[in-house]
Amino acid sequence: AQTVTQSQPEMSVQEAETVTLSCTYDTSESNYYLFWYKQPPSRQMILVIRQEAYKQQNATENRFSVNFQKAAKSFSLKISDSQLGDTAMYFCAFIPPLNAGGTSYGKLTFGQGTILTVHP
Amino acid sequence: DGGITQSPKYLFRKEGQNVTLSCEQNLNHDAMYWYRQDPGQGLRLIYYSQIVNDFQKGDIAEGYSVSREKKESFPLTVTSAQKNPTAFYLCASSIGLAGEQFFGPGTRLTVL
Repeated sequence: AQTVTQSQPEMSVQEAETVTLSCTYDTSESNYYLFWYKQPPSRQMILVIRQEAYKQQNATENRFSVNFQKAAKSFSLKISDSQLGDTAMYFCAFIPPLNAGGTSYGKLTFGQGTILTVHP
Repeated sequence: DGGITQSPKYLFRKEGQNVTLSCEQNLNHDAMYWYRQDPGQGLRLIYYSQIVNDFQKGDIAEGYSVSREKKESFPLTVTSAQKNPTAFYLCASSIGLAGEQFFGPGTRLTVL
């Protein structure tokens, strides 16, 4: 079974600074997908960034980038130039590949989340 | 605009009643999902459906039921058998299983 662990229940950062959110996961699969989702106070889940495990290059989306360490099963999110609108709960999520089959197929497993507060 | 809609936004239920939460998508996605979120927690999968007329139990299916009669719609019924139904419910869809999931705005269910 897959597990996703976010060890930081809460984080805070000053506006314009950089913050890194941690995520580790456990799987026996060699290929899979990883995501970071953002849930602001409106509670709408928004995809921030995705990473395919077979790609060595770290994904980047504007101010958001990841540090994907496959051997360590680590998938951290770095937010640069933090903005007040980045205040939200952030979830790391894992999904097995299309050919996983069994009971894991189609299941997106979420971590417990990290509450990020950006201070002015 | 393409997207996922959920209704109602807030729902109140008396104990012993069944209630149905609506989820509709116009993204032409084959796969749809229902998640439950409790305060301060991550999302847990209730049911998912890969195609019309097919659905599978997730991790916490007990006390819930679904149907998938149309590609666009995936309603969730919270039955009286669900012992602790007060939670935030999120619907999602994706092009196929293991694809990027897009979420609706959610329904907050409270049992009185």
